[in-house]
Amino acid sequence: GAGVSQTPSNKVTEKGKYVELRCDPISGHTALYWYRQSLGQGPEFLIYFQGTGAADDSGLPNDRFFAVRPEGSVSTLKIQRTERGDSAVYLCASSPQGLYTDTQYFGPGTRLTVL
Amino acid sequence: AQSVTQLGSHVSVSEGALVLLRCNYSSSVPPYLFWYVQYPNQGLQLLLKYTSAATLVKGINGFEAEFKKSETSFHLTKPSAHMSDAAEYFCAVSYIIQGAQKLVFGQGTRLTINP
Repeated sequence: GAGVSQTPSNKVTEKGKYVELRCDPISGHTALYWYRQSLGQGPEFLIYFQGTGAADDSGLPNDRFFAVRPEGSVSTLKIQRTERGDSAVYLCASSPQGLYTDTQYFGPGTRLTVL
Repeated sequence: AQSVTQLGSHVSVSEGALVLLRCNYSSSVPPYLFWYVQYPNQGLQLLLKYTSAATLVKGINGFEAEFKKSETSFHLTKPSAHMSDAAEYFCAVSYIIQGAQKLVFGQGTRLTINP
C-alpha cells in the first residue's frame, strides 16, 4: 500500500485478556516504530525495529508488552494480561532507514479500550 | 536530555487570522525538528521539518516555521487560517541514541478556527 496501515482500527477487550495489534509499514522501509498516545498527550516511544531486530525497546512499560517483526516488514505489538491503564491509541510509524533526518510516516493507529 | 514544550494546549483563532503555535526545545546536540498535524481519528501527518539547512522552513498547506537557535524555538505560523486547519499539532525533536533515531513529542496544541 501507499502508506502505513494498522489493524484493527478499534479494539475493545476485557481486563486480563491478550491482544495483538498489527502494523504494515511502507514497502522498503527498514525502520519501524511503535508509539502509545494517551488522551491529550503526544505520542510516546515504545520500541524501534531496524529490520527484523528490536534495536531499542526501552519505551516498553513492562514485560506484558512485546513486539515482533519476524520478516522485517509487518510488525505485531502484543499485550498480555491487559489492564485498564493500557487503554490508549497505539501508533505505528516507519521510515526509510531510521536516520537522524528521516521522516517517520505514521499509520492511523489502533484505539485500544480495556474494560 | 531532549525535550519539547508546546506553549498552549488550546489555541483559537478566527478564520483569516494569523496562526501562531509555539514550540521550544531542549537538546544537547544540534536538533532536527518536526511539526506534525493530526486530524480527528487519523494518524500524524508531516507538515514540515528542519534539518539544519535554511532556518525558515516551508511546509504543506501554507504553514512555515522558523528555527531560532538563540531562543531554542521552532514556532509554527500560517498567515491566514482556514477552517480546514482545525486539528491537533505536535512539535517533535529528533535525536540519535545508540544508533536509533528517536522522536520526542510535545504534548500537542489543539487549534480551533472560529468562523
